[in-house]
Amino acid sequence: EDQVTQSPEALRLQEGESSSLNCSYTVSGLRGLFWYRQDPGKGPEFLFTLYSAGEEKEKERLKATLTKKESFLHITAPKPEDSATYLCAVRILSGGSNYKLTFGKGTLLTVNP
Amino acid sequence: DVKVTQSSRYLVKRTGEKVFLECVQDMDHENMFWYRQDPGLGLRLIYFSYDVKMKEKGDIPEGYSVSREKKERFSLILESASTNQTSMYLCASSFLERKKETQYFGPGTRLLVL
Repeated sequence: EDQVTQSPEALRLQEGESSSLNCSYTVSGLRGLFWYRQDPGKGPEFLFTLYSAGEEKEKERLKATLTKKESFLHITAPKPEDSATYLCAVRILSGGSNYKLTFGKGTLLTVNP
Repeated sequence: DVKVTQSSRYLVKRTGEKVFLECVQDMDHENMFWYRQDPGLGLRLIYFSYDVKMKEKGDIPEGYSVSREKKERFSLILESASTNQTSMYLCASSFLERKKETQYFGPGTRLLVL
């Protein structure tokens, strides 16, 4: 069964304290790994897509990397406004020629001032 | 910018009522999706549609149906709402370009079934 596991479930950082979130996956036929940010009571906001092992994407204080088994979301010198739940999802074949996303349960990041 | 809108942010319904959740996207996307999100369970796919009048079951379709009469609109229907369908419902849309696809989400509808 295809699995996406995010760790830790929750992470509390001080402002400026860099860290990483992990997303490990056991899927066959990966066709993309996605990172989303979700604020309380809102829909997920797209951050990055990674398609190949070794690929990296950056946006402001965030950097996403991908290996054959996992992805990391590195947060450099975080600010309180980076506090959110970060979701990882993998795109896999859903029978026939259609694809679907399978999501991890998310990491709740809190950055204290 | 991609815009996905959902008809209601909050909805309160009674057990047994028929409930319609509407989703509209303005980017001419072929694919549309309905998810529900529950604490500890994450986002789970209910149904998706890759073309007008086409639909495919996701991971948890029981108790739900969908309708896609126009490309921009995808409706989720709860034929007879039950308390275990209390949840946050999220709609998303996407298009495929050179084998790459990104899903964009709406703001969500928080449904309470009493």
